[in-house]
Amino acid sequence: EVQLVESGGGLVQPGGSLRLSCAASGFTFSDHYMDWVRQAPGKGLEWVGRIRNKAKSYTTEYAASVKGRFTISRDDSKNSLYLQMNSLKTEDTAVYYCNKASRGADGLDYWGQGTLVTVSS
Amino acid sequence: QSVLTQPPSASGTPGQRVTMSCSGSSSNIGSNNVYWYQQLPGTAPKLLIYGNNQRPSGVPDRFSGSKSDTSASLAISGLRSEDEADYYCAAWDDSPSGRVFGGGTKVTVL
Repeated sequence: EVQLVESGGGLVQPGGSLRLSCAASGFTFSDHYMDWVRQAPGKGLEWVGRIRNKAKSYTTEYAASVKGRFTISRDDSKNSLYLQMNSLKTEDTAVYYCNKASRGADGLDYWGQGTLVTVSS
Repeated sequence: QSVLTQPPSASGTPGQRVTMSCSGSSSNIGSNNVYWYQQLPGTAPKLLIYGNNQRPSGVPDRFSGSKSDTSASLAISGLRSEDEADYYCAAWDDSPSGRVFGGGTKVTVL
């Protein structure tokens, strides 16, 4: 059974930093691209970015709204995905979901339960 | 403003058929597969349809998806109270490169 468990959310002041983690199990983590998606309170889904697998040199892509501030990384030896968030803004307040991309990488087939990040003074 | 356009709401009585649309462009729906997700209140989204019209195991055949050119649609037949949820369409966008979502359609069972 595929499981994705996020952690690391919490309250942070504007301009601060936070690192989210996602522990994956139930599939061959190293084979798959992984994404982060967020959802602001009462709002829709917004893609944050993705990291490809080793075969694609762990390259990353980001949404324009977070590019230059957020960094996605992974540790295949620990079956873990990370999201380093710097220079946080109040508009980054959201539930952050860790996602497994499908084999063709054109969609997301599993979601974690999410972790809430609140940016407020 | 979402890249993919969905109606904000849809409704029906138990047993009815409800459909919802998802409109995009040549760089997203027109070039790539459409995915649909169901988000029940207070929970994470769940995959409902992949590859435009394929259902993962465990998803009832009451749910069906279709795609034509730059638009897609999701249909729920035999509507049930447990189908009350938000439904999101998604696709990869080639330009600019990134995953895009619709704003979501809230389905209410009357």
